[in-house]
Amino acid sequence: DQQVKQNSPSLSVQEGRISILNCDYTNSMFDYFLWYKKYPAEGPTFLISISSIKDKNEDGRFTVFLNKSAKHLSLHIVPSQPGDSAVYFCAASARTGANNLFFGTGTRLTVIP
Amino acid sequence: DSGVTQTPKHLITATGQRVTLRCSPRSGDLSVYWYQQSLDQGLQFLIQYYNGEERAKGNILERFSAQQFPDLHSELNLSSLELGDSALYFCASSPSGSGRAMGFFGPGTRLTVL
Repeated sequence: DQQVKQNSPSLSVQEGRISILNCDYTNSMFDYFLWYKKYPAEGPTFLISISSIKDKNEDGRFTVFLNKSAKHLSLHIVPSQPGDSAVYFCAASARTGANNLFFGTGTRLTVIP
Repeated sequence: DSGVTQTPKHLITATGQRVTLRCSPRSGDLSVYWYQQSLDQGLQFLIQYYNGEERAKGNILERFSAQQFPDLHSELNLSSLELGDSALYFCASSPSGSGRAMGFFGPGTRLTVL
């Protein structure tokens, strides 16, 4: 059972425009969320995270929004750059229980120059 | 470079065989996590070790086992391999026992079972 879902396998955006990547979760015990970026032949790289006590966290061009009532989060990249082309994974962790992260299946972002 | 190293990068083997994947965490990190990524799937948590002891277990098959050595490197042993075990295996490390600090993944080992 996939507790973290990324329903869009791919997204194409023009350079300079906004990229919005979406993620939904089902487990109400999740209280910490992370986004990772992955290039081919490399491991995932941590991008940005957000705790459930916040609804927004910003780091440079990257902003993560959390809507707890909808169990939805999104990653905004503004402005998008060709170097942002990668697979983006959403992950979540619960306040109790195992220490691991639950990952979505990823969204492949292509930024067109 | 995340500071987490994994060897080998690629492994091709036959069904029924046994392989060992190795992970060296970042200097100072006590926790090692193993994840499996099958085709078009997200990363699935297998197992976590913290300072030499098993800390958490995920969907790890009985044919798979892991350990963490005194120098903190970890090995994931996969035995009686099946075609469905073909996947990318990632290792991640963190300073503490909490997965929330998991910022550093290795480049992965791609296992192909023929």
